Amino acid sequence: QQQVKQSPQSLIVQKGGIPIINCAYENTAFDYFPWYQQFPGKGPALLIAIRPDVSEKKEGRFTISFNKSAKQFSLHIMDSQPGDSATYFCAASLDSSYKLIFGSGTRLLVRP
Amino acid sequence: ETGVTQSPTHLIKTRGQQVTLRCSSQSGHNTVSWYQQALGQGPQFIFQYYREEENGRGNFPPRFSGLQFPNYSSELNVNALELDDSALYLCASSRERGELFFGEGSRLTVL
Repeated sequence: QQQVKQSPQSLIVQKGGIPIINCAYENTAFDYFPWYQQFPGKGPALLIAIRPDVSEKKEGRFTISFNKSAKQFSLHIMDSQPGDSATYFCAASLDSSYKLIFGSGTRLLVRP
Repeated sequence: ETGVTQSPTHLIKTRGQQVTLRCSSQSGHNTVSWYQQALGQGPQFIFQYYREEENGRGNFPPRFSGLQFPNYSSELNVNALELDDSALYLCASSRERGELFFGEGSRLTVL
């Protein structure tokens, strides 16, 4: 019940495309759903986060869509750029600072 | 840059040895969390420290222990190292109930 399942494992898109990464969770008590971006040799960096009282949140080119009834959320990257090539992790927790449960990650490659 | 600094960045140990990893939190943050990230996996929560007390623990054995100091910096200690302990160890700091900011990690290799 503590798992967060992430798909796909890897994703290749052309520059300007809209990669979509999906996550599913089981614990309905989760209250905070962030997405992190990680470059090789670096720590994860918070991109955007959402709470279950809204269905969508946009920050720049990044959008989270949240479906509470299906217990799923997804990350969309608009107008993707080669600099967006990284590993993306979804996560879920009961609180923004406590015990994040991470998905297994999606390696995104954006071709020029 | 998140303002969270970790040391050392890389280290190699042999099975059975002990290791101490250090973390300086971002200014104004009073909570430190430690995560283990195995190669190709997502980070896994080890434990969190708040006001120098352990404030929750993940599914890690007691040979993983930690400390938080009055200046909110922290240490992660791992005793009796095993081969499976080879991973990137990430420290993250936050304000109480705030967002996590991760350091760049300490890469531990156990031979």
